[in-house]
Amino acid sequence: SYVLTQPPSVSVAPGKTARITCGGDQIGSKSVHWYQQKPGQAPVLVIYYDSDRPSGIPERFSGSNSGHTATLTISRVEAGDEADYCCQVWDSSTDHVIFGGGTKLTVL
Amino acid sequence: QITLKESGPMLVKPTQTLTLTCTVSGFSLNTLGEHVGWIRQPPGKALEWLTLISWDDNKRYNPSLRSRLTITKDAAKNQVVLTVTDMDPTDTATYFCAHRMPGNDYGKYNFDYWGQGTLVTVSS
Repeated sequence: SYVLTQPPSVSVAPGKTARITCGGDQIGSKSVHWYQQKPGQAPVLVIYYDSDRPSGIPERFSGSNSGHTATLTISRVEAGDEADYCCQVWDSSTDHVIFGGGTKLTVL
Repeated sequence: QITLKESGPMLVKPTQTLTLTCTVSGFSLNTLGEHVGWIRQPPGKALEWLTLISWDDNKRYNPSLRSRLTITKDAAKNQVVLTVTDMDPTDTATYFCAHRMPGNDYGKYNFDYWGQGTLVTVSS
């Protein structure tokens, strides 16, 4: 089955740029979605269709997808961005939803 | 405004069957293109997709759990029901239901609204 690989953790200083990767075989040919999840809360969609932002999500959040890696980029990181981030795709070969293992973003 | 809310037991015993209900508002389960899915998250672990159901009763299941899962909907009650048989302590998790962002392309499948989740503990 299709596997999405994320680093367990990423650390960044306030005001800097955080990049969280999501690796998968030819993931560039798939549509990737990203969720933010804070402790004790439900996930929130922050990027869909590789790079689109839902209403209410700051422009500081952006996404890209090419080859074997999709990337969530958070510019001018704030303390409130500290959360777990998870990528997700649809595996068309099996007709199933696939989630990545999640990445914990720590703001130093 | 779309909302979803999970309900069901907080504690089940091993081998029992879990039944969870997702009550939705802001959309109709019979409207063309609407889907609801179930996702779970063991404490401290990653999200795991379980199943989904479409407006026309099309269903998909996680293959690793396929034999134990059933999803149904009752549009008149605005409810989607998940049953999980033969519960085990490893099934302890927060269970979420979520609304699929409308679209015709399954390849772009994602969840734009989520319920708050309900923690289910499996213990004797």
